[in-house]
Amino acid sequence: EAAVTQSPRSKVAVTGGKVTLSCHQTNNHDYMYWYRQDTGHGLRLIHYSYVADSTEKGDIPDGYKASRPSQENFSLILELASLSQTAVYFCASSGTISNERLFFGHGTKLSVL
Amino acid sequence: GDSVTQTEGLVTLTKGLPVMLNCTYQTTYSPFLFWYVQHLNEAPKLLLKSSTDNKRTEHQGFYATLHKSSSSFHLQKSSVQLSDSALYFCALSGASSGSWQLIFGSGTQLTVMP
Repeated sequence: EAAVTQSPRSKVAVTGGKVTLSCHQTNNHDYMYWYRQDTGHGLRLIHYSYVADSTEKGDIPDGYKASRPSQENFSLILELASLSQTAVYFCASSGTISNERLFFGHGTKLSVL
Repeated sequence: GDSVTQTEGLVTLTKGLPVMLNCTYQTTYSPFLFWYVQHLNEAPKLLLKSSTDNKRTEHQGFYATLHKSSSSFHLQKSSVQLSDSALYFCALSGASSGSWQLIFGSGTQLTVMP
C-alpha cells in the first residue's frame, strides 16, 4: 500500500505566527497535493505540484505557500496564520493528475488561536 | 468550472437497511467519477471509480452506476453495517480555476445505528 506521511498530526498556532506542515511520500508519485477540509465544504485544493521545485495554485491558495524540494517531500506554509485557517489539512499523492486514485495522509488538525 | 453536488449532509440509518447517497456533477469534459470514504480519524480512501456510462461498479458491497444522461453517480448498498459509518465524498476528475484536479463534493456523513 502506498504511503503518505504527514507531520505533525495536530498543531496549535497563534495568530500571526508561521506554520509549516510537512508531507512525505514513498509512492514514487510525481503529483502531490494539499487539501483543506472544513465541515460542509468537503476537500478543497490549496496547492499542488507535479515536479520537484515547482508548485501550482489550486482553488484556495490565498494565505498559503507550498514548497516541493524533492519528489518525496511537499510542505505547506502559513506565513501569517489566521483564525480562518483553522481546519484539517490533508496531503495526497498520485501517479497522474487525473483519472487515478489519490493516496491521502492521515491529516493535520490545525487550530489557530 | 466543473462541480460536484452531494445533497445530503447527514444520513442516519438502522443496520440492515439499504442506502443511497446522491451525487450529481457538472462538467464539459468526459466525466471520470470517484467515491472516497473517510472513517473517523482516518485518511480518505478510494471506494469506487468509473468513467463508463451505464455500467455498475462494485466494491466492498457498495455499488454505483455512472449515468451521463442525468449527470449522476449515486452510491448504494443493499444492507448497511455498523462499520459503514463514515464520511463519503463524491469526486470528479475535472477542471477548476484553470487547473485540472479532483473536485470533491461537500460530503455525506453516514451514521448506522444498531
